[in-house]
Amino acid sequence: DAMVIQNPRYQVTQFGKPVTLSCSQTLNHNVMYWYQQKSSQAPKLLFHYYDKDFNNEADTPDNFQSRRPNTSFCFLDIRSPGLGDAAMYLCATSRGTGGLTEAFFGQGTRLTVV
Amino acid sequence: AQRVTQPEKLLSVFKGAPVELKCNYSYSGSPELFWYVQYSRQRLQLLLRHISRESIKGFTADLNKGETSFHLKKPFAQEEDSAMYYCALTSGGSYIPTFGRGTSLIVHP
Repeated sequence: DAMVIQNPRYQVTQFGKPVTLSCSQTLNHNVMYWYQQKSSQAPKLLFHYYDKDFNNEADTPDNFQSRRPNTSFCFLDIRSPGLGDAAMYLCATSRGTGGLTEAFFGQGTRLTVV
Repeated sequence: AQRVTQPEKLLSVFKGAPVELKCNYSYSGSPELFWYVQYSRQRLQLLLRHISRESIKGFTADLNKGETSFHLKKPFAQEEDSAMYYCALTSGGSYIPTFGRGTSLIVHP
């Protein structure tokens, strides 16, 4: 089945220790997104790629970086995780063909910072 | 700026009761509205979009531009409807969805 896969499902990292979350897709979609979701809050867009073009949200901290080496893969790098970065991180993809397009989500990576 | 508001964190009903999950939005133009659902231990997935005017799993949603609302309704709730429901909006031809915080629906037997 074509899908969006996130690894790992659960990640524990130490305060200040760099961590990378990964996402892959078999849908061949142009757009890949990273959302951060904290408990009882809306998923918050961190950034997205349209093909190779990177689009950062204005309020995304510099601590968060992303890489998209090819169509299929996208990585979220947290350079120095703080306790406040503990959250569910959702990767999603879409065709990027306008406002009616559906977003397809991975199962998320739950990040714990100790 | 666009915004999606889901006023209820939790909605608890009994099987067979009607359900209405509220969603209000703020956007000055013509938005596209969606409902996404997340069942336990599953990924977030599209339930329905307003442009399709379809009923999915017995759920319908009508876009009311006057009230800037897109409430999700089902006349008779089933236990398998228990899930998190997220309202989302895209606007101005943008493909990027903005989400509400979600409403947890619990349907008791």
